[in-house]
Amino acid sequence: GAVVSQHPSWVICKSGTSVKIECRSLDFQATTMFWYRQFPKQSLMLMATSNEGSKATYEQGVEKDKFLINHASLTLSTLTVTSAHPEDSSFYICSARDPRRETNTEAFFGQGTRLTVV
Amino acid sequence: QKEVEQDPGPLSVPEGAIVSLNCTYSNSAFQYFMWYRQYSRKGPELLMYTYSSGNKEDGRFTAQVDKSSKYISLFIRDSQPSDSATYLCAIGRGGKLIFGQGTELSVKP
Repeated sequence: GAVVSQHPSWVICKSGTSVKIECRSLDFQATTMFWYRQFPKQSLMLMATSNEGSKATYEQGVEKDKFLINHASLTLSTLTVTSAHPEDSSFYICSARDPRRETNTEAFFGQGTRLTVV
Repeated sequence: QKEVEQDPGPLSVPEGAIVSLNCTYSNSAFQYFMWYRQYSRKGPELLMYTYSSGNKEDGRFTAQVDKSSKYISLFIRDSQPSDSATYLCAIGRGGKLIFGQGTELSVKP
C-alpha cells in the first residue's frame, strides 16, 4: 500500500512549549491529509482535515489556535501543538488518501506520534 | 447514540480459531466500509475495504457488509498469534472516516 511517514514517533515536552509533528506521503502526492487523536483503548477521533494550499478544516470542539495545521506542499502536512499542557498528551496520527487509487477513499496512516507533556 | 458501535473486547481465542469481529452503524448514508488492524503504539494498517453489501475475501480475511441491517463484520480464519492486535472498523461518507472503538484481539498459541 501507499506509504505515509510520520515524525517523530514519540516526543516529551515541557508544559507551555510547542511541538511540531510532520506527516509525509512518500510515494504519492496528497492534496488532503487528516489528523487524528487517539486516547488509550479509544477510537481515533478526527481533529482536522488538512488541505494543500488552503486552511485546514477543523472538527467541532477542536481549537484551531492550539492545533495549528500547515499543508505547504503535496507531500507534507504539519501539526503544531502550541502551549502544550499535560491534557494534550495523546497519540496523534495522520493519514492520507492515495489519488492513484481508483476510488481514492482508502486512507493510509502514519506510524503515529506519542506526545507526553510533563 | 454513537454513529459507529464496536465491542471493545478484549477477545481471546486459541490459535486456529475463526474470529468474528463486528460493528453496527446508525446512518444509512454511509458509503464505504473498512477494517484496520492496529498494533500497540503503531498507526492503523488497512486490511479490507468494500463499498457494497456482500462478502469480500482476501486470504484468511473476509469482510461482510449488510447494509439493510447496518452491520459489518470481519472474519479471520485459522487465526495466528501474529493476528493479535486491535481491529478497528471505519465507515465513510463524504470523504470522512468514522472509526469504531476497536476490538482488542488476542490469539493464544
